[in-house]
Amino acid sequence: NAGVTQTPKFRVLKTGQSMTLLCAQDMNHEYMYWYRQDPGMGLRLIHYSVGEGTTAKGEVPDGYNVSRLKKQNFLLGLESAAPSQTSVYFCASSYRNPGTDTQYFGPGTRLTVL
Amino acid sequence: QQQVKQSPQSLIVQKGGISIINCAYENTAFDYFPWYQQFPGKGPALLIAIRPDVSEKKEGRFTISFNKSAKQFSSHIMDSQPGDSATYFCAATNSGYALNFGKGTSLLVTP
Repeated sequence: NAGVTQTPKFRVLKTGQSMTLLCAQDMNHEYMYWYRQDPGMGLRLIHYSVGEGTTAKGEVPDGYNVSRLKKQNFLLGLESAAPSQTSVYFCASSYRNPGTDTQYFGPGTRLTVL
Repeated sequence: QQQVKQSPQSLIVQKGGISIINCAYENTAFDYFPWYQQFPGKGPALLIAIRPDVSEKKEGRFTISFNKSAKQFSSHIMDSQPGDSATYFCAATNSGYALNFGKGTSLLVTP
């Protein structure tokens, strides 16, 4: 099993550009998450999904959109990138809610917005 | 607001010493408290977790202690090794949709 994979690993954008980050998991997990990690801020939840076709806002959703058209994939979109979105983005998944099952993280995507 | 408060922000321990990281929470509905370990350039990985019905849990050199009345929990890494150098996150959840993470502790174990 590959576990949780993220594409791309690195990306540099100019302000105003758009992009999509792809997360894929091969563990048949129902729950998927997008976090951002900034120095001294820990991991903050952007959006999450509790099953195919569902999405919901987390702690810091502004400026991001998500889609979960297939159970194994969770896409994070930035429609108009801003320097404040420079961060490391982590995708995670779990079979059920994280109080019951382990949350597995991907390797991260380092995004720089100039 | 930050639902889980973690300290210290950074920690330097000599090889063989004990690394201690503390976390506190306010939400009494939290019922699951995992610890994650993150090496540079990698995603976090679950290290150990505890539930409120247990006051202490040990796995190898890693121990979690839980104080329900004080709403605090802490991790101890015994006989710390340079390979333990990483960022550690405590977290909490009420079995809801997501984990609430602390801000992390950067641990450096010197030879």
